Formats: sequence, structure tokens, C-alpha cells
Amino acid sequence: EAGVAQSPRYKIIEKRQSVAFWCNPISGHATLYWYQQILGQGPKLLIQFQNNGVVDDSQLPKDRFSAERLKGVDSTLKIQPAKLEDSAVYLCASSARGTSGFDTQYFGPGTRLTVL
Amino acid sequence: KNQVEQSPQSLIILEGKNCTLQCNYTVSPFSNLRWYKQDTGRGPVSLTIMTFSENTKSNGRYTATLDADTKQSSLHITASQLSDSASYICVVSAGSGGYNKLIFGAGTRLAVHP
Repeated sequence: EAGVAQSPRYKIIEKRQSVAFWCNPISGHATLYWYQQILGQGPKLLIQFQNNGVVDDSQLPKDRFSAERLKGVDSTLKIQPAKLEDSAVYLCASSARGTSGFDTQYFGPGTRLTVL
Repeated sequence: KNQVEQSPQSLIILEGKNCTLQCNYTVSPFSNLRWYKQDTGRGPVSLTIMTFSENTKSNGRYTATLDADTKQSSLHITASQLSDSASYICVVSAGSGGYNKLIFGAGTRLAVHP
């Protein structure tokens, strides 16, 4: 079974530029998450999709961040314009409720963003 | 406020030794508690998931315990190996069915030295 795919793996941009990240979840997983992980901290949920609908985007800085999952499969996360404090690893995860009743999350390798 | 606190922040042990990582949480309503392992440059990988009725759960050399009364959990690693060097993240799921929110701790960074 293929895992969660993310691209690019690394991105370096200057502040005020725009950047986009792509995520392909595990086939059949209805729930998709985007997390921001700053060095030395745990992941922080930015947005959660159930199919192509938004379940939780309460911590998404909507003035500069946007995300979409148009067909309920792939997703993109965009930052426009980027700030220095956006430097972080952006993790995508997907989940499906298993036989145990838990929705185990499977994470992608992440995209490391550096804003100069 | 829902919070998950982990200790220690970092830990260095010698290969073959045991260690225990701690997690304290104030999350309501509690649904389940998870431990993840995150290797450098990789996404977190689930080690264990426990509900309030489970006191202990093992996954190979990893054993997690949960005390729902004191709101504490621990992850015990037995006979450590170099490959255990990673961050270990405690995550508590808050909710009562429907939409559950995951609250992440900051993690404990473990280094296993030969």
C-alpha cells in the first residue's frame, strides 16, 4: 500500500513570495489533514478535510493560507504572501476508520519550507 | 484549555538501556491517547492507541501505560537500539464521537548512543 505522498520535499523562498504544497493521501482515505510543525514543537493542525468538505480550519491563518481538496482526493496548501515565521515543516496526513474503531493517521514525509 | 505536556524535553541513553517518557494531559472530553515516533526528516508514525479503559498496551519493545484518573501516560522503551533515536510525541484525542480533535504534545527527543 502506497503511503501519503507530498511534494516538494524542500522549498526555499523569500518573504512575501507565494508557495504551494501538494499532498496525495492514501487511496480510500476520506479524511485529510494539513499540519504545521515548527522546529522543536509538535504538529499544529491547520485544516482538516472530510472528503472535499472542511471539518476544522480554526487555526488556519486565513489572511495568507488557503487549502483546497476539490475532488476529495489530492489537496494543495498555499501561502501567499509568506512571512519569516512560516518557516516550518508542513505535514500532510490521511486517515480512515479501521476495524478497531480508531482513525489512525498516516503522515507523509513533509515539506520543509524556509522563508528568507 | 486542552493541553498535553511531555517530559523530559530531551534524553540521552546508551544502547541497550531502558527509558521512560512521560505525558501529562488536561483534555476533555477524553477519547483516546496515542504515542507517535517521528524520525528526523520524516512524518510521525503511530506506535500505540489507548482508550480510557486500557491501562497498558505494547508494540514490540515499546510499552505505553495510561492512568486516566491522574491523566498521565508513559512510554517505556526496553533494550534501546540506535534506531530508537527519534522524537516521541504524545497525542490526546478530545471528543465524544463525531468529530474528535487531536491535541499534540511538543515531543521528547531521544538520542541513543552506542
